[in-house]
Parts: sequence; structure tokens; C-alpha cells
Amino acid sequence: DAKTTQPPSMDCAEGRAANLPCNHSTISGNEYVYWYRQIHSQGPQYIIHGLKNNETNEMASLIITEDRKSSTLILPHATLRDTAVYYCIVRVFGSNYQLIWGAGTKLIIKP
Amino acid sequence: ETGVTQSPTHLIKTRGQQVTLRCSSQSGHNTVSWYQQALGQGPQFIFQYYREEENGRGNFPPRFSGLQFPNYSSELNVNALELDDSALYLCASSLEAGGENEQFFGPGTRLTVL
Repeated sequence: DAKTTQPPSMDCAEGRAANLPCNHSTISGNEYVYWYRQIHSQGPQYIIHGLKNNETNEMASLIITEDRKSSTLILPHATLRDTAVYYCIVRVFGSNYQLIWGAGTKLIIKP
Repeated sequence: ETGVTQSPTHLIKTRGQQVTLRCSSQSGHNTVSWYQQALGQGPQFIFQYYREEENGRGNFPPRFSGLQFPNYSSELNVNALELDDSALYLCASSLEAGGENEQFFGPGTRLTVL
């Protein structure tokens, strides 16, 4: 079973920041939070991951709460090409890298 | 650096047949994972291969089997196809089996079982 809970869908205006929440209240101390996105039946694309500190890369920022029970993915300036299903995944460090996926959030960027 | 490729793109089979799907990992990636994605759902882990050995398996029956070759290619074989096997099959490669290494996904093979 997926260890994360996400809203099924969200809208965001083009040019605005898109904030995608994820709940992972049962996360363990050695479990990382990963975010991937999937654009209309293409292969999923890695976005970012983190353990307990906030992370930023060229695509997005990841904010993890202090108790690690939830996180937010931030796309700072959303474009139409960011329309996709976004998956928040928890993975145990050092495991055989099995990713347990939920249903994700369908993010629609509107012009 | 080339990305992960999969073949064929689409495939139609009938119930009871066998199918082989192929994946070419990024050069230097020792690990390949296979996922099944039904319409409207997230991918489900089938199994992972690390240096040509199975390194973990999800909740899939033995008729799902795989191979990994030294040239960074791999195969997913499915015997005795069932209607519920209709799905997008994804392979993903990574540098190593563990650690923080991200997985790089191929575009997938869309399998339809009639």
C-alpha cells in the first residue's frame, strides 16, 4: 500500500507558484521522500528528493515539515508544460529501491 | 549520454499468449526495475535486477519473469497472458540498487491483451 496521501487534482494559473502537498504521517526515520511527475502516459520523470532538510534544484523546491509527516513540492513559476500527474513517494534508504506509488495529484496549469 | 529506451512502443496480444518486452538502460547503470501501470493508477513494482540477478520482487506471479544482460539491456517476459495484464509497462534504470540514486524511466510499452 502507498505510504503517502495526495489530493487527486489541483489547478494553478500559469506563471504562479504551484504548491503540491503530500501527507506521509507514517514515515520512518530512514525513509526518503521522492517526487516524480508523469506527463500523459510518458515515463515518469524524477523531480527531487529529500530526507529531512529542504531541497531545491533547477526544477523545484521540496519543503519537509520538521516532524517529517508531510511535505510540499513547489514549482516556482508554473508553465503549461508542467501539466502532469505528480507522485509523492516514500522509499526506505538502502532498500532494493522499490518505489511504492500512490495515485498522485493531477496538476492542471491554466493560461 | 543516451536515455532509457523500450521496445516495442505498442503491442497487442491475445489471452494465453506469451510476450517479451525489452529495455535498454543508460550506459553504466547496474540496476533496472520494471513496473506495471494500469490506466489511471500509479506504477506498481514488478521486480528489480542488479548486476544480472533478481534483487527484489513485488506482488506479481511467477509468470512474470525477467532477464538482465551485461550490455545494459533487459527483458520482461510474461507467460499465459490474461486480460488484466493490459497496461503500460515501464522500465527504469539507476546507477546502483540502493542509495539515493534516482531512477530514469523509459517511455513504456503499451500492452493490450484481447
